Amino acid sequence: DTGVSQDPRHKITKRGQNVTFRCDPISEHNRLYWYRQTLGQGPEFLTYFQNEAQLEKSRLLSDRFSAERPKGSFSTLEIQRTEQGDSAMYLCASNLQGFEQYFGPGTRLTVT
Amino acid sequence: AQSVTQLGSHVSVSEGALVLLRCNYSSSVPPYLFWYVQYPNQGLQLLLKYTTGATLVKGINGFEAEFKKSETSFHLTKPSAHMSDAAEYFCAVIELTGGGNKLTFGTGTQLKVEL
Repeated sequence: DTGVSQDPRHKITKRGQNVTFRCDPISEHNRLYWYRQTLGQGPEFLTYFQNEAQLEKSRLLSDRFSAERPKGSFSTLEIQRTEQGDSAMYLCASNLQGFEQYFGPGTRLTVT
Repeated sequence: AQSVTQLGSHVSVSEGALVLLRCNYSSSVPPYLFWYVQYPNQGLQLLLKYTTGATLVKGINGFEAEFKKSETSFHLTKPSAHMSDAAEYFCAVIELTGGGNKLTFGTGTQLKVEL
């Protein structure tokens, strides 16, 4: 069990560019969550997958955001036409059952 | 909707002193409550959780928290602070959704430990 991993750890991009982040959950975990954390705030829920099905999306997830989990294992979060307001830490978490979620180290996005 | 309020965005204690980080929740149903710790540029690590049963829960690194329904509180304590406890602490409540669950976090408390 190597824990939840996220790639890249840091991403700097220019406004208007597209970016994609990857999350690899703990193996066998069927539930996967994405959160966004801005400076000085707690993480905010973005979206949730059970296996490959995306079961819930927050209103924070605008049309520029899309998340996938094609084979029910790793997930990707894509942001199109990035804006400065997208600068944040993007956290991924996973679990199998129960309430405890296991978090990855996060991807820090800076939009210049 | 459920929510969490953490009083005090910054708390400073001396090494060896009591740590008290405050958390109040709002929930229309019995809550499931959590404390997470976050070190700089890292993800969140679970310290402890309350779901059902004993209202005093013990976690890792000597931390504990007590669920008080009458006060809608879930304050985090540690009898003696250590330098390594310096980090940001988040209180969170579970909101059950679509067969899964999502966490609603407070805004966090930055703990500073001084010599």
